Amino acid sequence: EDQVTQSPEALRLQEGESSSLNCSYTVSGLRGLFWYRQDPGKGPEFLFTLYSAGEEKEKERLKATLTKKESFLHITAPKPEDSATYLCAVQAYNQGGKLIFGQGTELSVKP
Amino acid sequence: EAGVAQSPRYKIIEKRQSVAFWCNPISGHATLYWYQQILGQGPKLLIQFQNNGVVDDSQLPKDRFSAERLKGVDSTLKIQPAKLEDSAVYLCASSQRGTNTEAFFGQGTRLTVV
Repeated sequence: EDQVTQSPEALRLQEGESSSLNCSYTVSGLRGLFWYRQDPGKGPEFLFTLYSAGEEKEKERLKATLTKKESFLHITAPKPEDSATYLCAVQAYNQGGKLIFGQGTELSVKP
Repeated sequence: EAGVAQSPRYKIIEKRQSVAFWCNPISGHATLYWYQQILGQGPKLLIQFQNNGVVDDSQLPKDRFSAERLKGVDSTLKIQPAKLEDSAVYLCASSQRGTNTEAFFGQGTRLTVV
């Protein structure tokens, strides 16, 4: 069964304190791995798609990496406005466009 | 570019009542999804449409949930009758095509069943 597990469930950082979020996945055939950001009361907002092991993508203070078993979302020198829940999802070759989401990591950045 | 529109934003109903949600996807997006997000969990796919045809409804509780996509554009999701465990946020998303493209989400409808 395809599955996505994110850790930690919650992460509290001080402003400027860099860290990483983990997304472990089990999927029959990975078509793509997606990272989304979700603010309270809003729908998920697309951040990155990664397609193959070794691929990396960056956006401002965020950098996503992918291996054959997991993905990391690195946050460098975070700011309070980076506080949100970060969701990881996989798309498998045999399941059309369906996204299988992890439970998310709730990030809180204090000034 | 306008995003995915959903209404209503909030709905409170009693158990055994019925409710309907509406979604208007991004213009030109052929694929439309309905996801259910229970508090503290990631979204779970209920149904996927490609134009006005159903691609995947394997996780839709068909005894109480139904969905349609009119003329391949707008979509409605209905629950009848509602149960307490249906309390969740119902998210609509759309993408240009089903695979290898990102899905864009609406703000969701928060349903509370009392």
